[in-house]
This record gives sequence, C-alpha cells and structure tokens, in this order.
Amino acid sequence: DIQMTQSPSSLSASVGDRVTITCRASQSISNYLNWYQQKPGKAPKLLIYVASSLQSGVPSRFSGSGSGADFTLTISRLQPEDFATYYCQQSYSAPPWTFGQGTKVEIK
Amino acid sequence: QVQLQESGPGLVKPSETLSLTCTVSGGSISGSNWSWLRQPPGKGLEWIGYIYKNGGGTNYSPSLKSRVTISEDTSKNQISLKLRSVTAADTAVYYCARVEEMATIVAWGQGTLVTVSS
Repeated sequence: DIQMTQSPSSLSASVGDRVTITCRASQSISNYLNWYQQKPGKAPKLLIYVASSLQSGVPSRFSGSGSGADFTLTISRLQPEDFATYYCQQSYSAPPWTFGQGTKVEIK
Repeated sequence: QVQLQESGPGLVKPSETLSLTCTVSGGSISGSNWSWLRQPPGKGLEWIGYIYKNGGGTNYSPSLKSRVTISEDTSKNQISLKLRSVTAADTAVYYCARVEEMATIVAWGQGTLVTVSS
C-alpha cells in the first residue's frame, strides 16, 4: 500500500499569512494527488486535483505543486474561512486510494 | 447538481451488519463511479470501497474486503453499503461519494454517524 504522510500535523497561523502544507508518498505517484479541505462537522471539499489543478469555484489563493513523491499545498493569504483540516489523497494505484493523516490549520 | 444523502441506523450492535443507503438526486447513478468512505471520530479519512460505473465491478479496501459489500440499485438511484461483523472500531461517520477521473471525489454526502455499541 502507498502511505501518505503530511506535515505538519497542525499549525497555527494568522489571517494574511502564507501557509504551506506538505504531503509525501511512500513511492512515486506521478501527479496523482488531490487535496481536500474539511471543516468541523462537514464533508470534505475538493480543492486541488492532479497535484496542481484548481477545482472550479475554489479561490485562487489555493495552489498545489509537486510530482513524484513530494507535494505541497499553499494558501497564499490565509482567510478566516480557511481554518480547517486539509487532507492529501493519492490515486496512483488501483483503488482503494489512501489519504494523508490531515493537517489542522488553527488561528494564532 | 448531484446531491447525495446517506441513511441508515445510527446504532448497530457488535457482530451485527451495518447497512447504509446513499440516495442520489439530481442525476442518475448510471455512468458514474461511486465510493463509500468513513472517518472515525476525531480521526482521518479511510476509503472503504469503490463501485465502477455501468456495472463494472467493485474494489474494496484490503483491510475490510472480507466484510464489505457495495452495490447499486439503478431503479432506486441508490448505492448501498453492507459491513458485516462490526466492532467498536467500525464506529465512524460514513460518507458516500461520487468519484471522477483520477480518483477525484467531486461530490460527498453529508455523512452519517454510525456507532457500534451494545
């Protein structure tokens, strides 16, 4: 199984900060990497697919990069509504696909 | 816009079978791929299984494969999940989801909490 490791597990940041979350796969997964945002009590929401494509309707302050085994989600200027937990998910191998353990972004 | 709604018992006894239904509105389930996922309280997301479009078969998590069945009922526009011989470790919020190319989950149900307890 492909293991996905996110770092950090949590972070504290202020509105307006630039935030970077990393996701590392246990093997190369090309660009088969998606990012989701989850707020408390809600289902996750797709932000980025195939590593760097922005889902329709998602603000442009969100961006994704990377290929192979190392990936990054960046929020350029953190907004109050961005405080949430973020998950990466690989889709390289046959299903079922695996998620990272999540990164909780909290208010500083 | 497709909407998904999970339904089923919120409490299941240990060793029994967890049965959930996902009713899809705003579009036909035919021609799309569907999945069930779960999230234990305070923990991360786990993919349970996947049903390919147009009767293309299923694929399950190796850790759950011996206990899981995912099926579809096109006449009712529903996707179903059955998880047998449950234990407390199966307590979680269960989500159904529509999956597009590159295993991208583009639509989620609101989720339903299932507690396994006697």
